[in-house]
Amino acid sequence: ETGVTQTPRHLVMGMTNKKSLKCEQHLGHNAMYWYKQSAKKPLELMFVYSLEERVENNSVPSRFSPECPNSSHLFLHLHTLQPEDSALYLCASSPRTYDQYEQYFGPGTRLTVT
Amino acid sequence: RKEVEQDPGPFNVPEGATVAFNCTYSNSASQSFFWYRQDCRKEPKLLMSVYSSGNEDGRFTAQLNRASQYISLLIRDSKLSDSATYLCVASTGGFKTIFGAGTRLFVKA
Repeated sequence: ETGVTQTPRHLVMGMTNKKSLKCEQHLGHNAMYWYKQSAKKPLELMFVYSLEERVENNSVPSRFSPECPNSSHLFLHLHTLQPEDSALYLCASSPRTYDQYEQYFGPGTRLTVT
Repeated sequence: RKEVEQDPGPFNVPEGATVAFNCTYSNSASQSFFWYRQDCRKEPKLLMSVYSSGNEDGRFTAQLNRASQYISLLIRDSKLSDSATYLCVASTGGFKTIFGAGTRLFVKA
């Protein structure tokens, strides 16, 4: 399936590195999301963009910086991360935010911070 | 109290069994409910939406009880391929989309 794609699929980075995660959706959706999934924990919503405007930031540390240049692309810029930031980062999209439509997920980027 | 609570399992059942998962949510303003399935090291995939009247999709039946703030998923005639983690989701829309931690299911031959 290629509805929502994410790159890279795996990333190992040191605490002083800067890297970016990329997400692209080919579904014509208006809303995009970043989630963090750590082992044995529920998905944690990080950011929501609706029509390229950030509508929510769930108290995420500033070392995570999202960017949504258009409704099809979403980035998560990473800098000076901590080992506890190691997790699976999932991107999702949905037709609209406030009409509570179901979300479609990308395959995720598995991030390891050393 | 967790906003969406599920029994983590694991549920170990033989092929052909019927298994039921339960989920409770704490936000009475929740309007939409879903069940997702997540295979090991893969992304969650929508299994079915949950409607007030209940709904069925093949071997899967979802029920919603708003008074008790309770959602259920019933799987009949379990297959080996049903082995996965099942995530319950309650949403008021937008930011307030809360995922449960999931219930693991193992179906064995």
